[in-house]
Amino acid sequence: DAGVIQSPRHEVTEMGQEVTLRCKPISGHNSLFWYRQTMMRGLELLIYFNNNVPIDDSGMPEDRFSAKMPNASFSTLKIQPSEPRDSAVYFCASSLWSGGDRNEQFFGPGTRLTVL
Amino acid sequence: DAKTTQPPSMDCAEGRAANLPCNHSTISGNEYVYWYRQIHSQGPQYIIHGLKNNETNEMASLIITEDRKSSTLILPHATLRDTAVYYCIVRVGRNSGNTPLVFGKGTRLSVIA
Repeated sequence: DAGVIQSPRHEVTEMGQEVTLRCKPISGHNSLFWYRQTMMRGLELLIYFNNNVPIDDSGMPEDRFSAKMPNASFSTLKIQPSEPRDSAVYFCASSLWSGGDRNEQFFGPGTRLTVL
Repeated sequence: DAKTTQPPSMDCAEGRAANLPCNHSTISGNEYVYWYRQIHSQGPQYIIHGLKNNETNEMASLIITEDRKSSTLILPHATLRDTAVYYCIVRVGRNSGNTPLVFGKGTRLSVIA
């Protein structure tokens, strides 16, 4: 099992540019989460999907951020236009809930975004 | 907001047991205690979870007080590779569906040779 795959691992861009982060969840998982980590705010949820449907996007900072999950094996997080304050590590996580209480989430390696 | 309180940092000698405390005084009856850890530059990793009984797996043990207002994660024989930030998270478990994790600041554990 390859685990959760994220790309790119590192992204350096200039303010105003569009940035697209990609995530491939673990095959068979039915939930996908996007988190962001900064020194100031720690780990915080941006948005999550259940069965490809967005459930809660209240953590998305503003309209510059958008996320899609066109199918069960792929999701994107887009920032347009990017700003220096968007610099952070973005994590994607997936999980499979089958009715029990474990609810374990598997995290990808993250994308380190730097906006100059 | 995180519903837990943890010390910001702890040290532990290699080979000794690491005991990481967590306070969750407002925990509800249907909420579980989960522990994750984040090794530097990696994504968080699940360790263990419990409701009211003590739990043990290949990674750690979880001791939950009888009133459920606090818990302790125990790494029985800490190694240098256990150096990480440990997060104690309270969340609804059974029948909750797939819900997000709410991370606090965690405890930074340093295992010293």
